[in-house]
Amino acid sequence: EPEVTQTPSHQVTQMGQEVILRCVPISNHLYFYWYRQILGQKVEFLVSFYNNEISEKSEIFDDQFSVERPDGSNFTLKIRSTKLEDSAMYFCASSRTAIGNTIYFGEGSWLTVV
Amino acid sequence: DAKTTQPPSMDCAEGRAANLPCNHSTISGNEYVYWYRQIHSQGPQYIIHGLKNNETNEMASLIITEDRKSSTLILPHATLRDTAVYYCIVRVAQTSGSRLTFGEGTQLTVNP
Repeated sequence: EPEVTQTPSHQVTQMGQEVILRCVPISNHLYFYWYRQILGQKVEFLVSFYNNEISEKSEIFDDQFSVERPDGSNFTLKIRSTKLEDSAMYFCASSRTAIGNTIYFGEGSWLTVV
Repeated sequence: DAKTTQPPSMDCAEGRAANLPCNHSTISGNEYVYWYRQIHSQGPQYIIHGLKNNETNEMASLIITEDRKSSTLILPHATLRDTAVYYCIVRVAQTSGSRLTFGEGTQLTVNP
């Protein structure tokens, strides 16, 4: 069964450093998403991406965050200058279409900012 | 997106059916009901979704009331591995892609 894969599974970074989280969405999917989950809290939407541009973003997704699809397979989330409160599990997801279609999630990248 | 209400926790005996309720009284005509689950801190796992009709797949059944204001997820023969947080999510489908808004969900514990 096709799946969304994410790397790294766990990253520890110093506060103020840049971090790039990588994702390989399911191959025939066109819509890509990032969500995050702070330990003990709800899963929160960050951003959706379609046709090489952001289609929707939440208030969490500020100027410190950016997304990119650098080639035909990868989808990345960059955090420019990490803060302690960025420590969370980050989930990448993808779907084939938007209407009535399922969003599939990866297993997540656990980011610890120290 | 319409808000959903779920009980915070439920217990179920292994081998029995688990019936997880969800209220979504403000659901609109173009909103789907989705169910996901999250086992420990793994990625949310899709279970099933529906618009108006009842749906069944290899994992579960989804029963949506005629007025669409509530639904029930049924796991027909719960196993210990079904212990997870179950999320009922109402999602507007838009051509530009639409977010899933996760609530607190229901912690289902399947007991031996």
